[in-house]
Amino acid sequence: GAGVSQTPSNKVTEKGKYVELRCDPISGHTALYWYRQSLGQGPEFLIYFQGTGAADDSGLPNDRFFAVRPEGSVSTLKIQRTERGDSAVYLCASSLYPYILDEQFFGPGTRLTVL
Amino acid sequence: GNSVTQMEGPVTLSEEAFLTINCTYTATGYPSLFWYVQYPGEGLQLLLKATKADDKGSNKGFEATYRKETTSFHLEKGSVQVSDSAVYFCALSGVGETSGSRLTFGEGTQLTVNP
Repeated sequence: GAGVSQTPSNKVTEKGKYVELRCDPISGHTALYWYRQSLGQGPEFLIYFQGTGAADDSGLPNDRFFAVRPEGSVSTLKIQRTERGDSAVYLCASSLYPYILDEQFFGPGTRLTVL
Repeated sequence: GNSVTQMEGPVTLSEEAFLTINCTYTATGYPSLFWYVQYPGEGLQLLLKATKADDKGSNKGFEATYRKETTSFHLEKGSVQVSDSAVYFCALSGVGETSGSRLTFGEGTQLTVNP
């Protein structure tokens, strides 16, 4: 079956602009995670959804970042007033259930560049 | 908080050489431990995992043993191949009612295997 997909694969924007990044999880997966990976670093947790609700958004760096998952499937990460420091690869992952033994399946990521 | 420290890279080996990538962690409670691999141009994939002390995870000739006494989870392979060239990430997952299985990653180790 299809894996986790993310669109766009690349996004170039100007400082101060608004961007939306989309994640399509594996069908039926209830848990969805967003991570951010800066160059040369490991992924850092941003937010976790269980179903439609954000169960843990403690990793969002500030209030310019927020994410939604209105129907418990597709999720959108939204960044307002982008800054150059937001440039990174944004990764989405999903798992069937939010348990440790459930493997997280990662998408290919969206590379965001803020000029 | 939770953290993961990996040996600094990059690592360059000849084919059939022995591989060790060190990983140590700091965590509260009893985390589960993972190794993820990122092949060139591909998304993160789970390589192996261990969920309790003294467990050994293994896959594709790679092994890692969960050592609680040394808080380590070193990755080993007896004979590497050119196709093992990738970035390897050590990660842990804690248990939390609101955090699902959010992963905390190390910085990654770039492995290059030459023929």
